[in-house]
Amino acid sequence: EIVLTQSPATLSLSPGERATLSCRASQGISSNYLAWYQQKPGQAPRLLIYGASSRATGIPDRFSGSGSGTDFTLTISRLEAEDFAVYYCQQYGASPRTFGQGAKVEI
Amino acid sequence: QVQLVQSGAEVKKPGASVKVACKASGYAISDYGFTWVRQAPGQGFEWMGWIGPDIGNIKYEQKFQGRVTMTTDTSTGTAYMELRSLRFDDTAIYFCARVDRFGFSAFDYWGQGTLVTVS
Repeated sequence: EIVLTQSPATLSLSPGERATLSCRASQGISSNYLAWYQQKPGQAPRLLIYGASSRATGIPDRFSGSGSGTDFTLTISRLEAEDFAVYYCQQYGASPRTFGQGAKVEI
Repeated sequence: QVQLVQSGAEVKKPGASVKVACKASGYAISDYGFTWVRQAPGQGFEWMGWIGPDIGNIKYEQKFQGRVTMTTDTSTGTAYMELRSLRFDDTAIYFCARVDRFGFSAFDYWGQGTLVTVS
């Protein structure tokens, strides 16, 4: 199974700052089948990025994804109050589908 | 708009079974599949499997083989996930999500989650 390791586990930032989250895979992810999700307490995850770099419908352009192979990055260019949440990467190119352990962006 | 609405919370005893429903609306379910994921309290996500709209397109994660059954009722647009022989560590929020018909897509829409407590 592909293990996804996210870093850092927690990122403490202020509104307006830039957030950079990393996701490293234990083996290459085929066709860049890598997604990023945002989850707030008591809510279901929301898809932000798919295919490593494509924004999902309705996602603001301050969210961007990059990377290929085994190293991927989610960048939030200027944090807004509603962006403080937990972020998960996920691969959907191999079975079982796997998720990273999550990264919390806190104020 | 696309919506997935799940059935309500359940409390079950060890050894029992639970069946969670996920009703889809706002799109043609004949064009998409469903996947199921669970999240134990304060933990990350665990993928359970997926079911596509075409007959025979179903895959269960090995860990759940023999204990889980996923089905779809196309007449009502509802997907079901049944988990049997429940154990204490099956306590989790169970989510359904939409995937493409081949299962190789991100999970673009999610249900609100169903808390299953084994106690």
